[in-house]
Amino acid sequence: SAVISQKPSRDICQRGTSLTIQCQVDSQVTMMFWYRQQPGQSLTLIATANQGSEATYESGFVIDKFPISRPNLTFSTLTVSNLSPEDSSIYLCSAGHTNSPLHFGNGTRLTVT
Amino acid sequence: GNSVTQMEGPVTLSEEAFLTINCTYTATGYPSLFWYVQYPGEGLQLLLKATKADDKGSNKGFEATYRKETTSFHLEKGSVQVSDSAVYFCALRSGAGSYQLTFGKGTKLSVIP
Repeated sequence: SAVISQKPSRDICQRGTSLTIQCQVDSQVTMMFWYRQQPGQSLTLIATANQGSEATYESGFVIDKFPISRPNLTFSTLTVSNLSPEDSSIYLCSAGHTNSPLHFGNGTRLTVT
Repeated sequence: GNSVTQMEGPVTLSEEAFLTINCTYTATGYPSLFWYVQYPGEGLQLLLKATKADDKGSNKGFEATYRKETTSFHLEKGSVQVSDSAVYFCALRSGAGSYQLTFGKGTKLSVIP
């Protein structure tokens, strides 16, 4: 199974700034996704990170706020832009192959002050 | 659309008690079903999975059976330990060409000595 490293593990950011989260997988994977987990809540899919093309965003999430890159089959970044306190959440990267379970990184805990 | 409904928590059990966490789903096609576990301060770990009707997933003493007739995937363990204290998420992945996961809201389990 894929091992997923995510960094930073946590950060405290000021309102109006941006945070970029990196996700590195130890092997090439077909699928990479970004999820948000708000405090005490379940996981909500932000977008599918597509290798070499623009990410596919879910309803309620837009590229200007959550730009995503995926330059190759093992790496992706999620940027959370123009931060507000409502963006305080855990952001999780997940990855896997088409016919195998998805695995998750340990998440990035973001606090916006 | 796809949805997962999980038993509301929190659930508090004494060590060695029997655990059941109910999960039902709505999905198009023939979904794969998963249980993930999130220990405090960590990301999600795959606990077990089932990919077709009547399959039983099992791991670490936990079991769940894919029941198509009742659209359920209840998680069970015969004797819980303090180390099982975590949040448990039921999830599905539709078999209709969409590979992201849809999660339930999670059930927090606390096991006391």
